[in-house]
Amino acid sequence: DAKTTQPPSMDCAEGRAANLPCNHSTISGNEYVYWYRQIHSQGPQYIIHGLKNNETNEMASLIITEDRKSSTLILPHATLRDTAVYYCIVRILNNAGNMLTFGGGTRLMVKP
Amino acid sequence: GAGVSQSPSNKVTEKGKDVELRCDPISGHTALYWYRQSLGQGLEFLIYFQGNSAPDKSGLPSDRFSAERTGGSVSTLTIQRTQQEDSAVYLCASSLFSTGVNTGELFFGEGSRLTVL
Repeated sequence: DAKTTQPPSMDCAEGRAANLPCNHSTISGNEYVYWYRQIHSQGPQYIIHGLKNNETNEMASLIITEDRKSSTLILPHATLRDTAVYYCIVRILNNAGNMLTFGGGTRLMVKP
Repeated sequence: GAGVSQSPSNKVTEKGKDVELRCDPISGHTALYWYRQSLGQGLEFLIYFQGNSAPDKSGLPSDRFSAERTGGSVSTLTIQRTQQEDSAVYLCASSLFSTGVNTGELFFGEGSRLTVL
């Protein structure tokens, strides 16, 4: 799986958009970008994933650059409950399964 | 239940004892994973089960660790002769794997916190 690089920590004001970057410059054409988050003392939670096109769901938006070497997860109106570690993962989606390799992630602190 | 269930939620044991951790995946999910997370660290892959295929044991740190999945559902992770460095949160996840509906989403349980004294 391609390696990802994320800033170790970020702060965001409550109610503002949180933009979490991820670099994956060695991503291959059949690798998807996944985002998970882990709130303190809980198991990781799936947020969103995409291949080429930008994606949006009820939790967040995923913006993937045209060359696919980086992406940004956007939480449009961050709340205190969004404080968590956010993991960006790239993964081939194949018949061998969906094992995900988690890196260090970005610790997002949403402040009032 | 609706989600992945793990037990016990907390386990304190003495060095050298054996422990068993249990995972009940979401009904119908054919794939099951075990990860562990040491304090302040990321997730470390341990083992992966998919249907009736041989499990991927490539992440198990030593032969003291083993896991089984009976009947394609419940899984048990066993750690023999526990050591202090085994102290961590052990997380189980499951996913639905079916050709054409493979989104790659893993559903995690709340974890079992193991403390080895």
